[in-house]
Amino acid sequence: GESVGLHLPTLSVQEGDNSIINCAYSNSASDYFIWYKQESGKGPQFIIDIRSNMDKRQGQRVTVLLNKTVKHLSLQIAATQPGDSAVYFCAEVPPRGSQGNLIFGKGTKLSVKP
Amino acid sequence: DAGVTQSPTHLIKTRGQHVTLRCSPISGHKSVSWYQQVLGQGPQFIFQYYEKEERGRGNFPDRFSARQFPNYSSELNVNALLLGDSALYLCASSLQNRFTEAFFGQGTRLTVV
Repeated sequence: GESVGLHLPTLSVQEGDNSIINCAYSNSASDYFIWYKQESGKGPQFIIDIRSNMDKRQGQRVTVLLNKTVKHLSLQIAATQPGDSAVYFCAEVPPRGSQGNLIFGKGTKLSVKP
Repeated sequence: DAGVTQSPTHLIKTRGQHVTLRCSPISGHKSVSWYQQVLGQGPQFIFQYYEKEERGRGNFPDRFSARQFPNYSSELNVNALLLGDSALYLCASSLQNRFTEAFFGQGTRLTVV
């Protein structure tokens, strides 16, 4: 399928290593953040979310960290697998907005080498 | 369980033509949003509809319009197509509860020639 990852920053990791994907968000008043994974030819798929009253949240093999001081999010993927290869986007819900009008970051293409 | 479904999956149109894209949300979801994703970029918000009313609009020209039907499905219409309208058009549905995620469909790949 057609790649969504052209011209995006790329992170290349070895299978089994941990991956860290970073994202800067735009609005200091945003209070809800979501990480999405997008594989080639598909729509974004929910990975994990975090509210602004938290600074860390863990899921299965994934952890999201939120640093409101510098408006920064990171997604950590443990024991990265070839199936994790995709483009990853962070999205924020701005004040007075909702998850219906997300603001997406630029995206990072994760490439996992077997 | 059916997720968000969009039709058609691919479409080729000529400049100046009109296009209608369709979306069916997840059962029980009353909020539908449309996004445009140009190759190599993140999705850009176009419209949000909830209970058949427009609840948000992104920075897109008036050539873009949408509506939501009583069954909560939605259509996105684009008039007077330009080459720059070529993109993946994504539909997302969600519950109105603010702190729940939006679920995306596979998208419609529109190519304007």
